[in-house]
Amino acid sequence: EVQLVESGGGLVKPGGSLRLSCAASGFTFSSHSMNWVRQAPGKGLEWVSSISSSSSYIYYADSVKGRFTISRDNAKNSLYLQMNSLRAEDTAVYYCARDRSPVRVYDAFDVWGQGTMVTVSS
Amino acid sequence: EIVLTQSPGTLSLSPGERATLSCRASQSVSSSYLAWYQQKPGQAPRLLFYGASSRATGIPDRFSGSGSGTDFTLTISRLEPEDFAVYYCQQYGGSPRTFGQGTKVEIK
Repeated sequence: EVQLVESGGGLVKPGGSLRLSCAASGFTFSSHSMNWVRQAPGKGLEWVSSISSSSSYIYYADSVKGRFTISRDNAKNSLYLQMNSLRAEDTAVYYCARDRSPVRVYDAFDVWGQGTMVTVSS
Repeated sequence: EIVLTQSPGTLSLSPGERATLSCRASQSVSSSYLAWYQQKPGQAPRLLFYGASSRATGIPDRFSGSGSGTDFTLTISRLEPEDFAVYYCQQYGGSPRTFGQGTKVEIK
């Protein structure tokens, strides 16, 4: 079964740091670009960051650039998001999601994890 | 950055009725790189369509996607009880891969 499982969420104070992980299984992780998408409580979806299969291409939303770092370990079938200098507006459910095609640079997100909640509050 | 505007914000319909959801882009979406997602409360989004009109695996044929350029449409021909949810469009022709704000389809 194709699956993504996020972990690492929790409560953190403003200015603090958190590292999210996403464990992939059931497919060739090293072939697909991967992404983080977040959803603030009661709000819509916001793309956060993307990383290509070999980590050659990395992109960030302006709202997190300079504070968040995406990375992956293909040997461990894992995706990560290091979040520093966290703000209240970073409070959200964070989903990892797979690019549908192993060939295209950009694609739709066909597999999603269940999400992990990050709360930034004093 | 391509801004996607979805309308209406909320659609109140009865089971068996037809639903038509719109997604308009602020500039042309290259090669129709437009996706639709369905999200139910407490669940992750589910891919419905990619390439504007290509149905994802397991999506019933009462769902259809169409459009090109700046105007895209998701149609549900006859609403089933499980179709009441929030629907998002997303463009993935370039970075950032932006989402629309969503359309909620609710039971009338």
